Amino acid sequence: EAGVAQSPRYKIIEKRQSVAFWCNPISGHATLYWYQQILGQGPKLLIQFQNNGVVDDSQLPKDRFSAERLKGVDSTLKIQPAKLEDSAVYLCASSLLFSDRVNSPLHFGNGTRLTVT
Amino acid sequence: AQSVAQPEDQVNVAEGNPLTVKCTYSVSGNPYLFWYVQYPNRGLQFLLKYITGDNLVKGSYGFEAEFNKSQTSFHLKKPSALVSDSALYFCALEGTNAGKSTFGDGTTLTVKP
Repeated sequence: EAGVAQSPRYKIIEKRQSVAFWCNPISGHATLYWYQQILGQGPKLLIQFQNNGVVDDSQLPKDRFSAERLKGVDSTLKIQPAKLEDSAVYLCASSLLFSDRVNSPLHFGNGTRLTVT
Repeated sequence: AQSVAQPEDQVNVAEGNPLTVKCTYSVSGNPYLFWYVQYPNRGLQFLLKYITGDNLVKGSYGFEAEFNKSQTSFHLKKPSALVSDSALYFCALEGTNAGKSTFGDGTTLTVKP
């Protein structure tokens, strides 16, 4: 099966600029996640979708971050305006069913490495 | 609140020797525990999980992990390390009441020939 696709792979922007990341999950996966992975740390969940509805966005900095999953398939994550501390790898992951979460391990994309200067 | 700790930033072993990567957790209720591996410039790949049942679980690439409830640990093991096992390993916890994964900060495993 095709894996989770993310683009772009790398992005360099200046602070206060905006940026958007795109994710296409594995076909048929109802649940989609965006994680932020800062260098030297484990991934931190930003937002979780079940189909096109938000399940958890408690750790999403909503003053600058937004995400959507139109039609329950592709997703975009946007940062506006970016800060220096947003420099990180942004990982998208998908899983089959949230209701069977423990039997549906996360499948991760290769991530987008964001550098804010 | 739930948490995961990986007490070692770095583990070095010689090829052919057994390896252990440590993980401890804290959660209310029963834990669901996972190990993922990350190669350079790649996303995380699922290795194995503990949900219930046998305390020793087997996963991909010859890895296994031992769940110890009294010590709240879930250490990753392999009887004979390969150079190709060199990577960054993450332990993750999903509490039955929380519904979301919490990751440790990772352990870099280096296997030397």
